[in-house]
Amino acid sequence: DVKVTQSSRYLVKRTGEKVFLECVQDMDHENMFWYRQDPGLGLRLIYFSYDVKMKEKGDIPEGYSVSREKKERFSLILESASTNQTSMYLCASSSAGDRAVDTQYFGPGTRLTVL
Amino acid sequence: GIQVEQSPPDLILQEGANSTLRCNFSDSVNNLQWFHQNPWGQLINLFYIPSGTKQNGRLSATTVATERYSLLYISSSQTTDSGVYFCAVDRDDKIIFGKGTRLHILP
Repeated sequence: DVKVTQSSRYLVKRTGEKVFLECVQDMDHENMFWYRQDPGLGLRLIYFSYDVKMKEKGDIPEGYSVSREKKERFSLILESASTNQTSMYLCASSSAGDRAVDTQYFGPGTRLTVL
Repeated sequence: GIQVEQSPPDLILQEGANSTLRCNFSDSVNNLQWFHQNPWGQLINLFYIPSGTKQNGRLSATTVATERYSLLYISSSQTTDSGVYFCAVDRDDKIIFGKGTRLHILP
């Protein structure tokens, strides 16, 4: 079974803090993704990575950065957390040689609250 | 950009009922997936279905790419089917999700 794990299920941070969300997958997938999910807006892509040290912006990258130093790990960084970044964050991975989307596998999500 | 619309937004059914969820998209897409998000927030892949019909137990899906829609069928609903169902389309290496259909199955 594919396993995608996220470092925290719930997280509470203060405005201005630097926040790290970690995602690890154990299936040697090339592609990894970070989404946020908000009521009424569905899931929106923040960043994705198709290889180690490679990253591309999604639809809403502002206020976020990412790091992919190892194939199995994709980190989402909030440089200075703000209240409008309170959301559910979902990580996903997929195996695709040509960057086309194949079946994605999701982690359990991290519910981040910024006070 | 491409628009993805799901209907109905909410659906309440009695256990044992059948349901059809619809996903319309505004332009041609490379791929389409259906997901189920359970009440605990976990997103589960259901189908990867850019075209044609697939079946998995009580669930089946049909995508008619030329007419830009996909349908998800759930037969003999169970309470564990409750949650939000999302369709997501892939276009130009970007994935766009619909806003979901919230399904509540009553015991």
